[in-house]
Amino acid sequence: EDKVVQSPLSLVVHEGDTVTLNCSYEVTNFRSLLWYKQEKKAPTFLFMLTSSGIEKKSGRLSSILDKKELSSILNITATQTGDSAIYLCAVVVSSNTGKLIFGQGTTLQVKP
Amino acid sequence: GAVVSQHPSWVICKSGTSVKIECRSLDFQATTMFWYRQFPKQSLMLMATSNEGSKATYEQGVEKDKFLINHASLTLSTLTVTSAHPEDSSFYICSASRGGDEKLFFGSGTQLSVL
Repeated sequence: EDKVVQSPLSLVVHEGDTVTLNCSYEVTNFRSLLWYKQEKKAPTFLFMLTSSGIEKKSGRLSSILDKKELSSILNITATQTGDSAIYLCAVVVSSNTGKLIFGQGTTLQVKP
Repeated sequence: GAVVSQHPSWVICKSGTSVKIECRSLDFQATTMFWYRQFPKQSLMLMATSNEGSKATYEQGVEKDKFLINHASLTLSTLTVTSAHPEDSSFYICSASRGGDEKLFFGSGTQLSVL
């Protein structure tokens, strides 16, 4: 059975801290790994990772995939209260349909 | 970016009634749409994969007779929760694949409350 596991499940930090969120997967047909941020409603896309070892960056956020370890990390530096959200990791297991398997999510709370 | 519209954003209904949720891709054709359910403080659980013009594929444990999915066109998929019960109360969200880049675009979700 395809599985995506995130850790930690929840995290509380203070503004300015750096956080690292983890995602590991066991799937039969890996295509790519995606990170989403979910605040109130619909998840918003952050990164898509297909190749191992290539870091993707967007402002204070960055992510990298390790296909050998079947995992990915999402880093957030200089955290702000606006970073408080659920961060979802998902793996695409079908190139034909784009079917995603989601992890449980990491709930991040950034305190002022 | 691609836009997926979901309607309604929230609905309250009585137990035993049916509720229809619509998911539309506004500026692209989506041959495949996905329906997810999310309980509070939990992740998105895939319910079914909806393909235009064919029957939906349901995940294990999801009752196909209770959650009717119709994907009548390349831009519209509907989820009907039949004979809703309080335990069906949840956040339902759809997503659509533009194809090629494998990046899904999500609707804004529907919060269903069954009294």
